[in-house]
Amino acid sequence: KAGVTQTPRYLIKTRGQQVTLSCSPISGHRSVSWYQQTPGQGLQFLFEYFSETQRNKGNFPGRFSGRQFSNSRSEMNVSTLELGDSALYLCASSLGLAGTFTDTQYFGPGTRLTVL
Amino acid sequence: EDQVTQSPEALRLQEGESSSLNCSYTVSGLRGLFWYRQDPGKGPEFLFTLYSAGEEKEKERLKATLTKKESFLHITAPKPEDSATYLCAVQAWTGANNLFFGTGTRLTVIP
Repeated sequence: KAGVTQTPRYLIKTRGQQVTLSCSPISGHRSVSWYQQTPGQGLQFLFEYFSETQRNKGNFPGRFSGRQFSNSRSEMNVSTLELGDSALYLCASSLGLAGTFTDTQYFGPGTRLTVL
Repeated sequence: EDQVTQSPEALRLQEGESSSLNCSYTVSGLRGLFWYRQDPGKGPEFLFTLYSAGEEKEKERLKATLTKKESFLHITAPKPEDSATYLCAVQAWTGANNLFFGTGTRLTVIP
């Protein structure tokens, strides 16, 4: 079974620009979560999408947004880029089970974003 | 507030020298505790999920254990290819599926 894929793998942008990152989940997985990883803060949760709806959101400014399509693929957008947005952006997919079951998340390779 | 603390931050071992990594957690109702391995420039690779105190899981040279306050990742007779950052994360019974991560332990195994 193919794993989580993310495109592009590397991006270089300048301050003020916007960027869109893409994530294709494991086949059959309906939940996609996005995380930001930086050396200082570690892995921090951005948001989760399930069945095309944002189900949960972390503590990030509104410049960070996302969406999910009917085939469960997801995109993340960052507008008005700042130097501090330089990070590894990771996407994770899972079945999306809620309630009584633990829901294991499987990560993609990440997109390395550099803001100059 | 959910909190995960991993120690040590970095660990250097000789090949074959067994050791343990620690993950202490505070969470409002533990739904699951996860261990991941991350190589430089790559995404985290899933290792284990633990659900309840007393549970143990093994995979090759790795063994994960769980108590009500912490989890240990025991590495037996490590090899250089075990060098990586090991991440611990918790998932709580809040209705949300997101993981709350510790900052990781960077393990280096010297031949």
